[in-house]
Amino acid sequence: QQPVQSPQAVILREGEDAVINCSSSKALYSVHWYRQKHGEAPVFLMILLKGGEQKGHDKISASFNEKKQQSSLYLTASQLSYSGTYFCGTDSSQGGKLIFGQGTELSVKP
Amino acid sequence: EAGVAQSPRYKIIEKRQSVAFWCNPISGHATLYWYQQILGQGPKLLIQFQNNGVVDDSQLPKDRFSAERLKGVDSTLKIQPAKLEDSAVYLCASSWTGTSGSNEQFFGPGTRLTVL
Repeated sequence: QQPVQSPQAVILREGEDAVINCSSSKALYSVHWYRQKHGEAPVFLMILLKGGEQKGHDKISASFNEKKQQSSLYLTASQLSYSGTYFCGTDSSQGGKLIFGQGTELSVKP
Repeated sequence: EAGVAQSPRYKIIEKRQSVAFWCNPISGHATLYWYQQILGQGPKLLIQFQNNGVVDDSQLPKDRFSAERLKGVDSTLKIQPAKLEDSAVYLCASSWTGTSGSNEQFFGPGTRLTVL
């Protein structure tokens, strides 16, 4: 089953914060987050593994609630470069097979 | 370090024609994936290889799609015959296979296929 992302789209001003959620109906081993700019390939942001800690680098971090099979991506003090579509990919098999959500389109305005 | 290479970048064909895409993964990456990304949607896994063996091809439309990775390095995805609904970006990705079984996937630039 495809994970469900929310919101579908969000518009921010530079410096504002955003949260993107990813929810699955299946037990998860890991959650992967990617950002894709228009016409480009998805770029890896981070992986959260079952039993692992909350991850983060710079102003982008994420959490994984194993009991609820949910992950959230936190973007703080957003920059223009954060614009793009964010996808979560979920792995239930521990084999690397990812099922991607439908994406969340993030637009950061000056 | 060179990234994942794909060719061609763009392809326009008519329905019922055949088409092939090529992917060369990052050196040393044993796992290779082919995804189909329809406009406005997330990537959908078509097939996953571990070296030259197929790990998962449950979502590959086998009546028209085929893929191979004969020497465990580069791979070819073929569509024969193509349908209008095959219009999409075909992404190749690779990953290093570590003990966790779930590793960062590096994506190539993709091939944008238009079927007329």
